[in-house]
Amino acid sequence: DSGVTQTPKHLITATGQRVTLRCSPRSGDLSVYWYQQSLDQGLQFLIQYYNGEERAKGNILERFSAQQFPDLHSELNLSSLELGDSALYFCASSVGLALDEQFFGPGTRLTVL
Amino acid sequence: EDQVTQSPEALRLQEGESSSLNCSYTVSGLRGLFWYRQDPGKGPEFLFTLYSAGEEKEKERLKATLTKKESFLHITAPKPEDSATYLCAVQASEMKTSYDKVIFGPGTSLSVIP
Repeated sequence: DSGVTQTPKHLITATGQRVTLRCSPRSGDLSVYWYQQSLDQGLQFLIQYYNGEERAKGNILERFSAQQFPDLHSELNLSSLELGDSALYFCASSVGLALDEQFFGPGTRLTVL
Repeated sequence: EDQVTQSPEALRLQEGESSSLNCSYTVSGLRGLFWYRQDPGKGPEFLFTLYSAGEEKEKERLKATLTKKESFLHITAPKPEDSATYLCAVQASEMKTSYDKVIFGPGTSLSVIP
């Protein structure tokens, strides 16, 4: 157990819908990262927040947004969902700004029908 | 174009047969190179961070090294429990923005046969 929690574990929804994925980092970690992993794309970095502020951005679609709250938990919002958004979404956390000692959560499996 | 590639795509070893995995990168402003292990259906597990050329890190049967253009993950006398996908990633500063960029390689799938 990495200490990073993600909810829900599974999510099935329809095209055009909006969903919110939630992540609670390990105690003491200030950085939260979001990743998307699909079979054909591998692990894609989406976005990083550090102590509430956006710090790094990857190939995150405009339909996707994230935020980190004062209690350091984070939410990833996915809207106007398409079939291609079906993937495993991982959250990770670390103490500082760098990727080292990054701990991943168990992931949320999103299926868009 | 910034890129991270890994080779081979898949590797099958007999138990005890040592080998190396390669991670090549083309980025400027490297802040760090990271190795992860991922088991099927699970989140990646952090293994090593390397910051500068010439640096080496070791953990049990694994040793990671870094040059200016690539990193190697050496696996000595592997065991079946070392079977997993090994991912490398780079974090680099972005010249045009205040953001860092993070790029993962596609991974090497390692199978260790008893």
